[in-house]
Amino acid sequence: GAVVSQHPSWVICKSGTSVKIECRSLDFQATTMFWYRQFPKQSLMLMATSNEGSKATYEQGVEKDKFLINHASLTLSTLTVTSAHPEDSSFYICSARDRQGDGYTFGSGTRLTVV
Amino acid sequence: LAKTTQPISMDSYEGQEVNITCSHNNIATNDYITWYQQFPSQGPRFIIQGYKTKVTNEVASLFIPADRKSSTLSLPRVSLSDTAVYYCLVGDMYDFGNEKLTFGTGTRLTIIP
Repeated sequence: GAVVSQHPSWVICKSGTSVKIECRSLDFQATTMFWYRQFPKQSLMLMATSNEGSKATYEQGVEKDKFLINHASLTLSTLTVTSAHPEDSSFYICSARDRQGDGYTFGSGTRLTVV
Repeated sequence: LAKTTQPISMDSYEGQEVNITCSHNNIATNDYITWYQQFPSQGPRFIIQGYKTKVTNEVASLFIPADRKSSTLSLPRVSLSDTAVYYCLVGDMYDFGNEKLTFGTGTRLTIIP
Protein backbone atom coordinates (compact mmCIF):
# COMPACT_ATOMS: atom_id res chain seq x y z
CA GLY A 1 0.00 0.00 0.00
CA ALA A 2 0.83 3.66 -0.15
CA VAL A 3 3.46 4.86 2.30
CA VAL A 4 4.13 8.34 3.58
CA SER A 5 7.50 8.68 5.25
CA GLN A 6 7.89 11.40 7.84
CA HIS A 7 11.14 12.49 9.49
CA PRO A 8 12.28 13.01 12.11
CA SER A 9 10.06 10.97 14.40
CA TRP A 10 11.01 13.16 17.31
CA VAL A 11 13.05 16.29 17.86
CA ILE A 12 14.00 18.43 20.81
CA CYS A 13 15.05 21.99 20.13
CA LYS A 14 15.85 25.11 22.05
CA SER A 15 13.41 27.98 22.17
CA GLY A 16 14.01 30.42 19.34
CA THR A 17 15.48 27.92 16.91
CA SER A 18 13.85 26.48 13.79
CA VAL A 19 12.97 22.88 13.05
CA LYS A 20 12.26 21.28 9.68
CA ILE A 21 9.99 18.24 9.30
CA GLU A 22 9.96 16.27 6.05
CA CYS A 23 7.10 14.32 4.55
CA ARG A 24 7.70 12.08 1.54
CA SER A 25 5.22 10.05 -0.46
CA LEU A 26 6.84 6.76 -1.46
CA ASP A 27 5.82 5.10 -4.72
CA PHE A 28 3.15 7.67 -5.51
CA GLN A 29 2.93 11.31 -6.37
CA ALA A 30 1.03 13.75 -4.24
CA THR A 31 0.14 17.16 -5.62
CA THR A 32 -1.53 17.90 -2.32
CA MET A 33 -0.35 17.07 1.18
CA PHE A 34 -1.84 18.08 4.49
CA TRP A 35 -0.21 19.03 7.77
CA TYR A 36 -1.90 18.41 11.11
CA ARG A 37 -1.05 19.17 14.70
CA GLN A 38 -2.20 17.09 17.63
CA PHE A 39 -1.93 18.01 21.29
CA PRO A 40 -2.04 15.31 23.99
CA LYS A 41 -5.43 13.64 24.37
CA GLN A 42 -6.86 15.78 21.59
CA SER A 43 -7.89 15.18 18.01
CA LEU A 44 -5.93 16.10 14.91
CA MET A 45 -6.26 19.69 13.84
CA LEU A 46 -5.59 20.65 10.23
CA MET A 47 -2.94 23.35 9.98
CA ALA A 48 -2.41 23.79 6.27
CA THR A 49 -2.72 22.33 2.81
CA SER A 50 0.54 21.96 0.93
CA ASN A 51 0.25 22.38 -2.85
CA GLU A 52 3.01 21.29 -5.21
CA GLY A 53 4.42 24.23 -7.07
CA SER A 54 2.31 26.86 -5.35
CA LYS A 55 1.78 28.48 -2.00
CA ALA A 56 0.32 26.55 0.86
CA THR A 57 -3.08 27.48 2.20
CA TYR A 58 -3.37 27.86 5.94
CA GLU A 59 -6.29 27.28 8.25
CA GLN A 60 -7.64 30.17 10.25
CA GLY A 61 -5.45 30.96 13.22
CA VAL A 62 -2.32 29.29 11.87
CA GLU A 63 0.53 31.74 11.32
CA LYS A 64 1.98 31.22 7.87
CA ASP A 65 5.19 33.05 8.75
CA LYS A 66 5.76 30.76 11.68
CA PHE A 67 4.92 27.48 9.99
CA LEU A 68 6.65 27.58 6.63
CA ILE A 69 5.56 24.96 4.14
CA ASN A 70 7.42 24.06 0.97
CA HIS A 71 6.15 21.52 -1.56
CA ALA A 72 8.88 21.63 -4.18
CA SER A 73 8.26 18.24 -5.75
CA LEU A 74 5.44 15.77 -6.22
CA THR A 75 6.83 13.57 -3.45
CA LEU A 76 8.14 15.95 -0.82
CA SER A 77 6.59 18.52 1.47
CA THR A 78 8.40 20.17 4.35
CA LEU A 79 7.12 22.02 7.38
CA THR A 80 9.50 24.39 9.13
CA VAL A 81 8.59 25.64 12.57
CA THR A 82 10.43 28.94 12.85
CA SER A 83 11.47 30.57 16.11
CA ALA A 84 9.96 27.71 18.03
CA HIS A 85 8.53 28.29 21.49
CA PRO A 86 7.44 25.81 24.15
CA GLU A 87 3.80 26.25 23.14
CA ASP A 88 4.70 24.85 19.71
CA SER A 89 5.53 21.54 21.34
CA SER A 90 3.14 19.07 19.79
CA PHE A 91 2.76 16.04 17.54
CA TYR A 92 2.89 17.02 13.87
CA ILE A 93 1.48 14.67 11.22
CA CYS A 94 1.37 14.87 7.44
CA SER A 95 -0.91 13.02 5.03
CA ALA A 96 -1.44 12.47 1.32
CA ARG A 97 -3.62 10.37 -0.90
CA ASP A 98 -2.56 7.81 -3.48
CA ARG A 99 -5.09 7.70 -6.33
CA GLN A 100 -4.60 3.95 -6.55
CA GLY A 101 -5.35 3.36 -2.89
CA ASP A 102 -8.05 3.74 -0.30
CA GLY A 103 -8.26 6.64 2.06
CA TYR A 104 -5.50 8.98 3.08
CA THR A 105 -2.11 7.75 4.18
CA PHE A 106 -0.60 9.45 7.18
CA GLY A 107 3.00 9.81 8.18
CA SER A 108 4.17 8.35 11.46
CA GLY A 109 4.25 11.79 13.02
CA THR A 110 6.91 13.99 14.56
CA ARG A 111 7.01 14.71 18.26
CA LEU A 112 8.40 18.22 18.69
CA THR A 113 9.53 19.34 22.11
CA VAL A 114 10.74 22.91 22.53
CA VAL A 115 12.74 23.57 25.68
CA LEU B 1 -18.07 19.54 5.47
CA ALA B 2 -20.38 17.20 7.36
CA LYS B 3 -19.74 17.20 11.09
CA THR B 4 -19.42 13.85 12.80
CA THR B 5 -20.35 12.83 16.33
CA GLN B 6 -19.05 9.73 18.08
CA PRO B 7 -19.00 8.43 21.64
CA ILE B 8 -15.95 9.73 23.45
CA SER B 9 -14.97 6.34 24.84
CA MET B 10 -15.93 2.68 24.91
CA ASP B 11 -14.72 -0.36 26.79
CA SER B 12 -14.99 -3.95 25.66
CA TYR B 13 -13.64 -7.34 26.64
CA GLU B 14 -11.31 -9.35 24.50
CA GLY B 15 -13.01 -11.64 22.01
CA GLN B 16 -16.19 -9.60 21.76
CA GLU B 17 -17.54 -7.79 18.73
CA VAL B 18 -17.37 -4.02 19.06
CA ASN B 19 -19.64 -1.61 17.25
CA ILE B 20 -18.85 2.10 17.15
CA THR B 21 -21.52 4.35 15.72
CA CYS B 22 -20.92 7.73 14.15
CA SER B 23 -23.57 10.34 13.41
CA HIS B 24 -23.26 12.57 10.33
CA ASN B 25 -26.71 14.09 9.98
CA ASN B 26 -25.81 16.63 7.31
CA ILE B 27 -23.91 14.29 5.02
CA ALA B 28 -24.07 15.39 1.38
CA THR B 29 -24.87 13.26 -1.67
CA ASN B 30 -21.25 13.26 -2.81
CA ASP B 31 -19.82 12.39 0.59
CA TYR B 32 -18.29 9.05 1.48
CA ILE B 33 -17.45 7.76 4.96
CA THR B 34 -14.04 6.65 6.14
CA TRP B 35 -12.80 5.26 9.44
CA TYR B 36 -9.26 5.58 10.75
CA GLN B 37 -7.47 4.04 13.72
CA GLN B 38 -4.80 5.83 15.70
CA PHE B 39 -2.41 4.39 18.26
CA PRO B 40 -0.54 6.71 20.67
CA SER B 41 2.29 8.64 19.04
CA GLN B 42 1.47 7.33 15.57
CA GLY B 43 -0.32 8.74 12.58
CA PRO B 44 -3.87 7.52 11.85
CA ARG B 45 -4.24 4.38 9.78
CA PHE B 46 -7.01 3.72 7.24
CA ILE B 47 -9.45 1.00 8.28
CA ILE B 48 -12.41 1.04 5.93
CA GLN B 49 -14.42 3.25 3.63
CA GLY B 50 -17.92 3.17 2.19
CA TYR B 51 -20.76 5.09 0.61
CA LYS B 52 -23.84 3.04 1.40
CA THR B 53 -25.07 -0.37 2.65
CA LYS B 54 -22.33 -2.65 3.90
CA VAL B 55 -18.62 -2.90 3.25
CA THR B 56 -16.37 -5.60 4.67
CA ASN B 57 -12.64 -6.09 4.54
CA GLU B 58 -10.17 -8.26 6.40
CA VAL B 59 -10.24 -6.17 9.57
CA ALA B 60 -13.70 -4.61 9.89
CA SER B 61 -17.18 -4.09 8.53
CA LEU B 62 -18.93 -0.81 7.89
CA PHE B 63 -22.70 -0.56 8.02
CA ILE B 64 -24.40 2.46 6.47
CA PRO B 65 -28.22 2.75 6.59
CA ALA B 66 -30.24 3.98 3.65
CA ASP B 67 -30.49 7.57 4.92
CA ARG B 68 -26.68 7.64 5.43
CA LYS B 69 -27.04 9.87 8.49
CA SER B 70 -24.99 7.47 10.55
CA SER B 71 -22.54 4.65 10.12
CA THR B 72 -21.33 1.82 12.33
CA LEU B 73 -17.84 0.39 12.40
CA SER B 74 -17.85 -3.24 13.49
CA LEU B 75 -14.70 -4.90 14.78
CA PRO B 76 -15.07 -8.68 15.13
CA ARG B 77 -13.49 -10.47 18.08
CA VAL B 78 -11.34 -7.64 19.38
CA SER B 79 -7.99 -8.17 21.04
CA LEU B 80 -5.86 -6.00 23.30
CA SER B 81 -4.06 -4.63 20.25
CA ASP B 82 -7.30 -3.02 19.09
CA THR B 83 -7.06 -0.51 21.94
CA ALA B 84 -6.83 2.79 20.07
CA VAL B 85 -8.74 5.90 19.06
CA TYR B 86 -11.12 5.45 16.14
CA TYR B 87 -12.13 8.38 13.95
CA CYS B 88 -15.07 8.63 11.59
CA LEU B 89 -14.65 11.13 8.77
CA VAL B 90 -16.77 12.31 5.87
CA GLY B 91 -15.28 13.49 2.59
CA ASP B 92 -16.38 14.56 -0.88
CA MET B 93 -15.73 11.79 -3.39
CA TYR B 94 -15.37 14.29 -6.21
CA ASP B 95 -12.68 16.23 -4.40
CA PHE B 96 -10.36 13.24 -4.39
CA GLY B 97 -7.04 13.91 -2.76
CA ASN B 98 -7.85 17.52 -2.08
CA GLU B 99 -10.58 17.42 0.48
CA LYS B 100 -9.73 18.76 3.90
CA LEU B 101 -10.44 16.06 6.43
CA THR B 102 -12.00 17.30 9.65
CA PHE B 103 -11.29 15.06 12.59
CA GLY B 104 -13.88 14.95 15.35
CA THR B 105 -13.20 13.81 18.88
CA GLY B 106 -12.86 10.17 17.92
CA THR B 107 -13.78 7.20 20.11
CA ARG B 108 -11.20 5.93 22.55
CA LEU B 109 -11.68 2.16 22.59
CA THR B 110 -10.17 0.25 25.49
CA ILE B 111 -10.05 -3.52 25.34
CA ILE B 112 -10.08 -5.23 28.70
CA PRO B 113 -8.36 -8.60 29.18
